[in-house]
Amino acid sequence: EAQVTQNPRYLITVTGKKLTVTCSQNMNHEYMSWYRQDPGLGLRQIYYSMNVEVTDKGDVPEGYKVSRKEKRNFPLILESPSPNQTSLYFCASSALWPTNEKLFFGSGTQLSVL
Amino acid sequence: DAKTTQPNSMESNEEEPVHLPCNHSTISGTDYIHWYRQLPSQGPEYVIHGLTSNVNNRMASLAIAEDRKSSTLILHRATLRDAAVYYCIRGGSNYKLTFGKGTLLTVNP
Repeated sequence: EAQVTQNPRYLITVTGKKLTVTCSQNMNHEYMSWYRQDPGLGLRQIYYSMNVEVTDKGDVPEGYKVSRKEKRNFPLILESPSPNQTSLYFCASSALWPTNEKLFFGSGTQLSVL
Repeated sequence: DAKTTQPNSMESNEEEPVHLPCNHSTISGTDYIHWYRQLPSQGPEYVIHGLTSNVNNRMASLAIAEDRKSSTLILHRATLRDAAVYYCIRGGSNYKLTFGKGTLLTVNP
């Protein structure tokens, strides 16, 4: 089954403790992206990747890092999480965005930073 | 600017058609128009997309204005399961992907 898998589904952590949210897709997609969703602000793009070793900043990249060492994986790294990074995070992938290809989204990761 | 403009909310009755509008006045000739929806506690899911012609699939229809500055997502017979936030986005030459705040669709039984 074609899918984008995020882990963990829920995560509670404390300020400053490094964490990684994983994202994996099984569709051989070139494009992958991370979003955060906050009440009243909608979905905002954090980082995106056009292919292995090619990444770029979205609209809200501060406080986040990403890497794309393999085509299927695109982890989101918070080196020193802060409470304002408490949010719902989504990973997405596409065969070749932004063309005539649709996006597939993961189920989300609810992060709480205390 | 790759932003789109949608009404914050709309309401419909079950079994009636719903027309969800989207304005994208700065769209370029190669930008696809995509629609996604997000059910409560789930990630967004694909609904439909198109470039110039009207498009139909099992979920919905997409009507694109002749000048492409606006489009309308049509749900032919709304069901309670269609209650969601609907996002209209542009797929253009920019790899950045900007979502608006979407339209919250409420379906009344």
